[in-house]
Amino acid sequence: AQKITQTQPGMFVQEKEAVTLDCTYDTSDPSYGLFWYKQPSSGEMIFLIYQGSYDQQNATEGRYSLNFQKARKSANLVISASQLGDSAMYFCAMRAGNQFYFGTGTSLTVIP
Amino acid sequence: EAQVTQNPRYLITVTGKKLTVTCSQNMNHEYMSWYRQDPGLGLRQIYYSMNVEVTDKGDVPEGYKVSRKEKRNFPLILESPSPNQTSLYFCASSLLFGGTQYFGPGTRLTVL
Repeated sequence: AQKITQTQPGMFVQEKEAVTLDCTYDTSDPSYGLFWYKQPSSGEMIFLIYQGSYDQQNATEGRYSLNFQKARKSANLVISASQLGDSAMYFCAMRAGNQFYFGTGTSLTVIP
Repeated sequence: EAQVTQNPRYLITVTGKKLTVTCSQNMNHEYMSWYRQDPGLGLRQIYYSMNVEVTDKGDVPEGYKVSRKEKRNFPLILESPSPNQTSLYFCASSLLFGGTQYFGPGTRLTVL
């Protein structure tokens, strides 16, 4: 069965600190992709970062990095130097087979 | 501007009254998909389309229909809406299956 699990419903982080949002996945497909999306209070879905199952190096995009641990089936998102604008809902997603699967999301609040 | 558009953005309707939510993309993307977002459940895939005239069920297809007669459009049809279809709906597209999905702005549907 294909599944994405985000176990942190809500997280708080001090401005300028780093924060890690957890994501674990389950799939039997050898080829899959992992994504993180941000959903601010305005509702749109914003793509942040992508990691392919065969990628050797962890993906990075500016202040975002994906800590990919294949053996543990985890794909945690690390946001460095948090900003007030990072306050949002964050979704981990997996592409496996012909479909996409999303986690239930983590609500991140950045405290000034 | 490259984008995915959805119409309407907001819709209140009554049980049993057929409705269509349109989705259009101007990026010549092959893969298109519909999701519904419900509190605590994340996003769940309703239907997807790998290419023109090729559609398939996602995880929650019951009560929905789709069609893909041309590459740019992927309408979602609710033949007989029911209150449990009250949700936030997103259309998304990607150049090829497996690529980064770009989301429309969402359609908030209320079925009374």
